[in-house]
Amino acid sequence: GAGVSQSPRYKVAKRGQDVALRCDPISGHVSLFWYQQALGQGPEFLTYFQNEAQLDKSGLPSDRFFAERPEGSVSTLKIQRTQQEDSAVYLCASSGGGQGVWETQYFGPGTRLLVL
Amino acid sequence: AQSVAQPEDQVNVAEGNPLTVKCTYSVSGNPYLFWYVQYPNRGLQFLLKYITGDNLVKGSYGFEAEFNKSQTSFHLKKPSALVSDSALYFCAVRRMNRDDKIIFGKGTRLHILP
Repeated sequence: GAGVSQSPRYKVAKRGQDVALRCDPISGHVSLFWYQQALGQGPEFLTYFQNEAQLDKSGLPSDRFFAERPEGSVSTLKIQRTQQEDSAVYLCASSGGGQGVWETQYFGPGTRLLVL
Repeated sequence: AQSVAQPEDQVNVAEGNPLTVKCTYSVSGNPYLFWYVQYPNRGLQFLLKYITGDNLVKGSYGFEAEFNKSQTSFHLKKPSALVSDSALYFCAVRRMNRDDKIIFGKGTRLHILP
């Protein structure tokens, strides 16, 4: 389909492992966002890219979290040395961006991460 | 700082009755306001948004929302609820003219009783 896709859909990691979560935005979308959704909560902003530039990473909870979008399309969120508190659903969203700063963000299905 | 409040964790409505899911917001300047819906094991789906213009916004699946600037509210409404409307609903705000993050409320679970 033409929507935002994320992989894997589910990930179980042992505490201390590194994980990498992938997001494929809607083709041509300039802006890409990562959010973290804990159980029973609303999504919380992590970081934002416009093309390949990471313009805001104020929501990343620690230096164990790292995101990249090297070619301005696919993005990867990496979590190093995972901790149990990292267990959550990680949502990716994309929007047209550019001049249309009011444009809607479209979300992927999320990656559910469980750290044991 | 931006914030969104959804005062009800859960709303129960009988099928066929009108429904309202409440939302209030706080933002510097003028807001962009959104409603998203989340079904189990699925991502957030966009319902509707307020950018400017008419205070009553119509969206997907028969939903609408009314922007009230004086009360800083953006309540979601539907004239006649369906069982299939049962889901988790999120209100969200974003600063106008800023291409940046959305701030979400904690969500309201809507139960439509057959």
